[in-house]
Amino acid sequence: EAQVTQNPRYLITVTGKKLTVTCSQNMNHEYMSWYRQDPGLGLRQIYYSMNVEVTDKGDVPEGYKVSRKEKRNFPLILESPSPNQTSLYFCASSSIDRAYEQYFGPGTRLTVT
Amino acid sequence: QQQVKQSPQSLIVQKGGISIINCAYENTAFDYFPWYQQFPGKGPALLIAIRPDVSEKKEGRFTISFNKSAKQFSLHIMDSQPGDSATYFCAASPPGGFKTIFGAGTRLFVKA
Repeated sequence: EAQVTQNPRYLITVTGKKLTVTCSQNMNHEYMSWYRQDPGLGLRQIYYSMNVEVTDKGDVPEGYKVSRKEKRNFPLILESPSPNQTSLYFCASSSIDRAYEQYFGPGTRLTVT
Repeated sequence: QQQVKQSPQSLIVQKGGISIINCAYENTAFDYFPWYQQFPGKGPALLIAIRPDVSEKKEGRFTISFNKSAKQFSLHIMDSQPGDSATYFCAASPPGGFKTIFGAGTRLFVKA
């Protein structure tokens, strides 16, 4: 089954404790992206990647890091999480020639206390 | 700066009625306008999309109307069903589609 998977699905952590949210897709997609979803703000792009070792900032990159060492994986790293990063996070992927038709993962609910 | 403005924030429609969600954009460089549907606990899923050279696109009960001069587009759900109850996001993408901008979302509830 073609899918985007994220782990963990739920995470409660404390301020300053480094964490990584993993994202993996099995569709051989070149393009991958991370979004955060907040009430009243919709989905906002954090980072995206057009292929292995190629990443770029989205609209809200502050406080986040990403890496793309393998085509299928695109982890999101929060080196020093803060309460304002409490949010619902989505990973998405698509083929490079249809980057506007994205397949989303199930989401990761992160709470930073 | 909100580049895609979506309204209403929430919508209640009777079963069988028409649901209408509106969006407006600012950047004339956008060349692809998708709508995503999100059910509780799930990620968004592409529902229907349109390019600005077309004024209307219909897929089943779902229709996008596009007004390029007004920089507005809307989603119409005909014969709305309780199973349509979800959050709907409009979006706009520049050429290449790498930096899609989403609207704030509309929570639709269809009453049986």
